[in-house]
Amino acid sequence: AQSVTQLDSQVPVFEEAPVELRCNYSSSVSVYLFWYVQYPNQGLQLLLKYLSGSTLVESINGFEAEFNKSQTSFHLRKPSVHISDTAEYFCAVGSNNNDMRFGAGTRLTVKP
Amino acid sequence: NAGVTQTPKFQVLKTGQSMTLQCAQDMNHEYMSWYRQDPGMGLRLIHYSVGAGITDQGEVPNGYNVSRSTTEDFPLRLLSAAPSQTSVYFCASSSLRGSPLHFGNGTRLTVT
Repeated sequence: AQSVTQLDSQVPVFEEAPVELRCNYSSSVSVYLFWYVQYPNQGLQLLLKYLSGSTLVESINGFEAEFNKSQTSFHLRKPSVHISDTAEYFCAVGSNNNDMRFGAGTRLTVKP
Repeated sequence: NAGVTQTPKFQVLKTGQSMTLQCAQDMNHEYMSWYRQDPGMGLRLIHYSVGAGITDQGEVPNGYNVSRSTTEDFPLRLLSAAPSQTSVYFCASSSLRGSPLHFGNGTRLTVT
């Protein structure tokens, strides 16, 4: 089965600074990659996804992630964060058998 | 659209008691799954189903049973609760083949 490693458990950053949340995966088959966001006391919401095609994918709120097959990575970036981006972010990998696995999560804290 | 609905939102059990966590979706999704979320461990897959009458084990199935008699419902049963099952439980659904998951709002379970 596939697996996911999120390299940072916590990332503190000041408002308007850039941020990168790192994600590496392992799988022996073709994969689909996702980033989800979880705000306090809520379920997870899809942030962005890579299924095929362009390796750079973007969300509607300024986040982007790049699929790098050779490095088996799918890092999440934002050039300028806001206080409202404070949340926990989960990287996930799925395959054709729909067995989706999640990383341990990265807690992003944006400070004023 | 209600999406994915989980009940109850909170539950306290004594060791050895049994209960069923309910999950229903109204999006006609074939795939449904149960995850547990624990601090520092992300989401771990308990059981999943790719259609009515079909279920399979995930990463941490021990102590949990599931059934899928209809497309809409996917209940999770704890036959004899243990303190190690204290967690937040999320139900999710999706179309097949790499589609993102839609999550419920979670059930916070405490076993004393």
